[in-house]
Amino acid sequence: EAGVAQSPRYKIIEKRQSVAFWCNPISGHATLYWYQQILGQGPKLLIQFQNNGVVDDSQLPKDRFSAERLKGVDSTLKIQPAKLEDSAVYLCASSLSPSGSETQYFGPGTRLLVL
Amino acid sequence: KQEVTQIPAALSVPEGENLVLNCSFTDSAIYNLQWFRQDPGKGLTSLLLIQSSQREQTSGRLNASLDKSSGRSTLYIAASQPGDSATYLCAVVSGSARQLTFGSGTQLTVLP
Repeated sequence: EAGVAQSPRYKIIEKRQSVAFWCNPISGHATLYWYQQILGQGPKLLIQFQNNGVVDDSQLPKDRFSAERLKGVDSTLKIQPAKLEDSAVYLCASSLSPSGSETQYFGPGTRLLVL
Repeated sequence: KQEVTQIPAALSVPEGENLVLNCSFTDSAIYNLQWFRQDPGKGLTSLLLIQSSQREQTSGRLNASLDKSSGRSTLYIAASQPGDSATYLCAVVSGSARQLTFGSGTQLTVLP
């Protein structure tokens, strides 16, 4: 079974530039999550999708971050404009359902450095 | 708001030792608790998932316990090996949105 795929793996940009990350979840997984992991901290949930609808985006900085999941499969996360404090690893995860009893499967992450 | 704390932040042990990692959470109304492993530059791998109605789960040399009423969990690793070196993260699912809230992790180093 193929895992969660993410690209790019690394990205270096200057502040005020824009950047986009892509995620392809495990086939058949209805729920998709984006997390931000700052160095030395645990991942923090940014947004959760159920199929192509948003379940929770309460911790997404909506003035600069946006995400979409068209057709309920792949998802993109965009930052525009980027700030220095956005330097982090962005992890995508998926699960069969949002029931709370399902394991979330994580991709390898995209490591972003904002200069 | 759910908060998860992991102690210690870092741990170094000689190969072969048994060890315990600790996790505590502030809101005991959880759906489940999970332990993950994270290797440098890689994503998270789920190790054990304990449902709120369970007391413990075992997988190989790993044993995780859950005391929901006191808001605590422990991950026991038997006969540690250098390959066990990684960061171990504890996370709980709670709230109406069934969010996963993570601790900051324990960085484990097993010395040959």
